[in-house]
Amino acid sequence: DAGVTQSPTHLIKTRGQQVTLRCSPKSGHDTVSWYQQALGQGPQFIFQYYEEEERQRGNFPDRFSGHQFPNYSSELNVNALLLGDSALYLCASSLKLADGELFFGEGSRLTVL
Amino acid sequence: AQRVTQPEKLLSVFKGAPVELKCNYSYSGSPELFWYVQYSRQRLQLLLRHISRESIKGFTADLNKGETSFHLKKPFAQEEDSAMYYCALSPLMIKAAGNKLTFGGGTRVLVKP
Repeated sequence: DAGVTQSPTHLIKTRGQQVTLRCSPKSGHDTVSWYQQALGQGPQFIFQYYEEEERQRGNFPDRFSGHQFPNYSSELNVNALLLGDSALYLCASSLKLADGELFFGEGSRLTVL
Repeated sequence: AQRVTQPEKLLSVFKGAPVELKCNYSYSGSPELFWYVQYSRQRLQLLLRHISRESIKGFTADLNKGETSFHLKKPFAQEEDSAMYYCALSPLMIKAAGNKLTFGGGTRVLVKP
């Protein structure tokens, strides 16, 4: 079992561009959450997907959107990138919606210039 | 609103000495508390959760609802305990709330030989 996999691992964008990050959950997991981790800070919840629907959302603007596919994989999209969007984006999966035990990927490091 | 505070950014201890990582939280309902750990070049992973009441790798943590704290302790630190530690909070067993975790800012532990 490869666990949670994310792609790409690193990417560089310029202000105003759009980015799509991808995540495949751990085998058997149906719930995917996305977190943003700025340098020197703890992860901050963006949103959670279950049954292809956004179930919860953190304090992030509408520029951040997502999707979950029937195979439980997920995408995070960020439009109109700002310098402040530079961060490590972590995907986490869990066995069920209410389980606080999350399995994290290694993250996608986004740099916005 | 949920909030988790880890007052120490860095803890440096000698091998064999006790180590205690502080975590304070604020939440109006009943929380579930977690400690996550990230070792060098590894992904973020669950260390322990308060409802399991387990000792993992010699670490224990007690939920003190009166003091709204969930401090992590180990009586004899080992060099392999050097890592980044994050305290996290989730609403307790509310299915609709899913598993939105609120993380603290993290504490880096350095165990010196």
